[in-house]
Amino acid sequence: EVQLLESGGDWIQPGGSLRLSCTDSGFTFSSSAMGWVRQAPGKGLEWVSDINGGGGTTNYADSVKGRFTISRDNPKKTLYLHMSSLRAEDTAVYYCAKVITNIYWYFDLWGRGTTVSVSS
Amino acid sequence: SYVLTQPPSVSVAPGETATITCGGNNIGSYGVHWYQQKPGQAPVLVIYYDNNRPAGIPERISGSNSGNTATLTISWVEVGDGADYYCQVWDSSSSDHVLFGGGTRLTVL
Repeated sequence: EVQLLESGGDWIQPGGSLRLSCTDSGFTFSSSAMGWVRQAPGKGLEWVSDINGGGGTTNYADSVKGRFTISRDNPKKTLYLHMSSLRAEDTAVYYCAKVITNIYWYFDLWGRGTTVSVSS
Repeated sequence: SYVLTQPPSVSVAPGETATITCGGNNIGSYGVHWYQQKPGQAPVLVIYYDNNRPAGIPERISGSNSGNTATLTISWVEVGDGADYYCQVWDSSSSDHVLFGGGTRLTVL
């Protein structure tokens, strides 16, 4: 079964750093763009970042630009999100998702999510 | 920046048809995608490119997109269709190039 599995979520104090990971099973990871989408408690979905298959092109939401870094290790079939200078408003469930980039981008496979809580 | 507007909630009885809208300026010129999210679960893609269903999504779920409104239609609604539904577009001209609507909670009475 094709699936994504996130890890690395934790409780952390404001200003701290955290690295999320997402491993894939069952599809050709290196040829697929990947992304992160988050959902604050009781709120809707918010796109965070995405990266192309080769890892050379990245995009970030304005709310995380300069603080978060997306990367990938294709031989390990793993996607990462390095988060720094964390704020209370970064508290959310973080989902990794496979991105389809034909003409209009969308997410055709999602992981179950990992929870990040930022508070003192 | 581009904004997608969804009604916060829609309620229907089992067997009826649910219509969930997603409004945006000239949204008909974008490809619109829809996700279903049940409580405590990850989102699931149910419609892509306005009106295409991924494998495993029932024909009862359909989509359309024209003018300033995209629509997700669920026919013969079942109790199991109760969930939050989100529309999404890709706007290559915007720095935040992936946009989601605020979501609509479908309640099956």
